[in-house]
Amino acid sequence: GQNIDQPTEMTATEGAIVQINCTYQTSGFNGLFWYQQHAGEAPTFLSYNVLDGLEEKGRFSSFLSRSKGYSYLLLKELQMKDSASYLCAVRDRKVNSGYALNFGKGTSLLVTP
Amino acid sequence: DAGITQSPRHKVTETGTPVTLRCHQTENHRYMYWYRQDPGHGLRLIHYSYGVKDTDKGEVSDGYSVSRSKTEDFLLTLESATSSQTSVYFCAISEGLAGTDTQYFGPGTRLTVL
Repeated sequence: GQNIDQPTEMTATEGAIVQINCTYQTSGFNGLFWYQQHAGEAPTFLSYNVLDGLEEKGRFSSFLSRSKGYSYLLLKELQMKDSASYLCAVRDRKVNSGYALNFGKGTSLLVTP
Repeated sequence: DAGITQSPRHKVTETGTPVTLRCHQTENHRYMYWYRQDPGHGLRLIHYSYGVKDTDKGEVSDGYSVSRSKTEDFLLTLESATSSQTSVYFCAISEGLAGTDTQYFGPGTRLTVL
């Protein structure tokens, strides 16, 4: 099994930068994903890391350290529409005939004016 | 947009009745997944499929069965619904042949079991 931990809630101000952390323990790491989920909607893919380091995609960046079992999602120039839940998901090594994503419980981010 | 639809989008049913949820995709992806999402638990995998007639269990498969007779359709059945199965159900697909690619989610089905 896996243990994936992320903060339950965070609040930040419009225009600021926020970092959402995720720590994990896994028997066979095969990649880490970040998803965004607005209330009442489906999760949408944000970023993917499989090697150590930073992946940048516009206002969003994601960092991974496999030796520390740690990732963060960095959101810059926050906008009101960034208020959402952010899900950290770890892909484990192949089980039976497929891979499965194991999700953390999500971090609810509130962006205030 | 990964071309995923789910039906119905909302359903209210009574304890003990059978329920089938449908996931339909238009792009011939090999891998399809069913998750449930509950407050305090995050997304949890119920079953997944790696091809027509090829399925396997996930973390929370008890009380659920699945079928995939065509590439485009993955059905989730609750043989006898219970109140603990009240949840939001998401279908997902992953592109590629090995199941290692990013998963994309359908719009979800909100199921209430009274």
